[in-house]
Amino acid sequence: DAKTTQPNSMESNEEEPVHLPCNHSTISGTDYIHWYRQLPSQGPEYVIHGLTSNVNNRMASLAIAEDRKSSTLILHRATLRDAAVYYCILRGDMASGGSNYKLTFGKGTLLTVNP
Amino acid sequence: ETGVTQTPRHLVMGMTNKKSLKCEQHLGHNAMYWYKQSAKKPLELMFVYSLEERVENNSVPSRFSPECPNSSHLFLHLHTLQPEDSALYLCASSQAYPGQGSYEQYFGPGTRLTVT
Repeated sequence: DAKTTQPNSMESNEEEPVHLPCNHSTISGTDYIHWYRQLPSQGPEYVIHGLTSNVNNRMASLAIAEDRKSSTLILHRATLRDAAVYYCILRGDMASGGSNYKLTFGKGTLLTVNP
Repeated sequence: ETGVTQTPRHLVMGMTNKKSLKCEQHLGHNAMYWYKQSAKKPLELMFVYSLEERVENNSVPSRFSPECPNSSHLFLHLHTLQPEDSALYLCASSQAYPGQGSYEQYFGPGTRLTVT
């Protein structure tokens, strides 16, 4: 699986935007960029995913670099409930075959939100 | 019930016991997964079922035995576990039809297992 690199931890203040970076310089043309988060004592939660274009949903925005070697998860206004470990994961296109079912979790970024 | 549910939420078992973890998804998905999350380690994929057929087994010891009787239910049967098997066991589901796209996974809350 292509590897991602994230900072171990980041800190933010409540109601401020948060930009969580992820590097994936070995991404292949068919890899999607997925983001999940895991709140304390809970299972991971899907946040967003994209391929080439920037994506928005009710939880966050995903900005993907033009060369696709990096991406940024944007939380527009952090709340205390956004404190979690955020995982950036590459996942293949289901049509590509192979182990496209896999989500390979790394250590992620621990986001702390200060009141 | 909505989403992915897991029972029990907490389990303490001795090394000679046999127990089962249950997962149920109410999302109409056709792929289900077992993950293990040990303290201070990343989540590890254990098993994958797609259309009720096991498609991945990540070198998991035979003391863990999965079962997928239908697309909505997944079990993990446990026997003669070791203390190092104590962990959070997470179930997830997703769509899995071949084709374009990359489907997100939805996770249950997990079963916290302690082996004594």
